[in-house]
Amino acid sequence: NAGVTQTPKFQVLKTGQSMTLQCAQDMNHEYMSWYRQDPGMGLRLIHYSVGAGITDQGEVPNGYNVSRSTTEDFPLRLLSAAPSQTSVYFCASSPWDLRDYARDEQFFGPGTRLTVL
Amino acid sequence: KNEVEQSPQNLTAQEGEFITINCSYSVGISALHWLQQHPGGGIVSLFMLSSGKKKHGRLIATINIQEKHSSLHITASHPRDSAVYICAVRSTDKLIFGTGTRLQVFP
Repeated sequence: NAGVTQTPKFQVLKTGQSMTLQCAQDMNHEYMSWYRQDPGMGLRLIHYSVGAGITDQGEVPNGYNVSRSTTEDFPLRLLSAAPSQTSVYFCASSPWDLRDYARDEQFFGPGTRLTVL
Repeated sequence: KNEVEQSPQNLTAQEGEFITINCSYSVGISALHWLQQHPGGGIVSLFMLSSGKKKHGRLIATINIQEKHSSLHITASHPRDSAVYICAVRSTDKLIFGTGTRLQVFP
């Protein structure tokens, strides 16, 4: 198993550019989520999905879009990059679902370090 | 006020010391997680708790649901335990994270 993979590892964008951060998992997990990590702050939830075809907003969704067409993939799109989006982005997956709260071990990708100039 | 508070924010220790990191939360939860973030940035899951106590090697995690408090203990600390330790709680369908405790263990 590759676990949770994220690409790219590093990215530099200019203000106004768009891009997609890729996230994939091969563990057949229903729950996937995107977080950003900024200095002095905890991980903050951007968007999450409880299964294919279902997405919802987290704490800081503005400027980001997601889709979940398959169980495996959960890409994060930056529509028009801004310097405030400079951050480290983590994707995570978990077998958690509403029917079984106990199955909630978290698996994180290695992160993408994004700089917006 | 943050919904998940960790203390201390920073902790230094000598090798062999007993370490305690605390986490308090103010929301209803179905589970509490302890995670470790290595200096290289990777995040791994250490424990998931909904009650009582769990032990894995030199790590022990406890939770008191009534007091909305959890502790992570490291016995016989070692320099390789140097990392950021993160508490997170599962509240409805979201995880809420604390800001982390940075631990440095010196030989």
